Amino acid sequence: GENVEQHPSTLSVQEGDSAVIKCTYSDSASNYFPWYKQELGKRPQLIIDIRSNVGEKKDQRIAVTLNKTAKHFSLHITETQPEDSAVYFCAALDTGRRALTFGSGTRLQVQP
Amino acid sequence: GAGVSQSPSNKVTEKGKDVELRCDPISGHTALYWYRQSLGQGLEFLIYFQGNSAPDKSGLPSDRFSAERTGGSVSTLTIQRTQQEDSAVYLCASSLALSRGLETQYFGPGTRLLVL
Repeated sequence: GENVEQHPSTLSVQEGDSAVIKCTYSDSASNYFPWYKQELGKRPQLIIDIRSNVGEKKDQRIAVTLNKTAKHFSLHITETQPEDSAVYFCAALDTGRRALTFGSGTRLQVQP
Repeated sequence: GAGVSQSPSNKVTEKGKDVELRCDPISGHTALYWYRQSLGQGLEFLIYFQGNSAPDKSGLPSDRFSAERTGGSVSTLTIQRTQQEDSAVYLCASSLALSRGLETQYFGPGTRLLVL
């Protein structure tokens, strides 16, 4: 089955700086890669996703890049704000199970 | 429209008791998933249902865990003879389908289970 590794586990940046979170996956057949943001005590919220026929996708301050050959994808947040502080999870769609396999999460802290 | 809902929001039980957790998916979503999130950890897949097909139970950690989905809508996750290691947040998600472009999963608020 799919295995997803996520780095770093914690990330602290100054307000206004950029943040990058990286994930690798093992199943070359995976074709859907969402990113979720989870605030303390809240449900995971989808913030952006990318499918395997696309190399990059942007939504305002958030972008995701996908390198299918290397089997890794990254989340980029520019001009970070304190409200970006949360735990971010990457995931890959396990084509065998058709369920998401999640990374272990990155705790992002944006210092004002 | 209404999102995924779950009940109860919190459940405290004694070791050895059975518990039932409920999930109401988004109306019209044919796929429903259960995940477990232990404190400070990622999300662990448990089981999913797609329409009237047999569920994929490959993530269930033991035979004490079972789930059903009645009428293709509401789902119940049952944990029998609960153990302290079952303490976690149980999250339900639903998606329109499993087909390409329809697979985005939306999560419910979760049920926080504490086994004493």
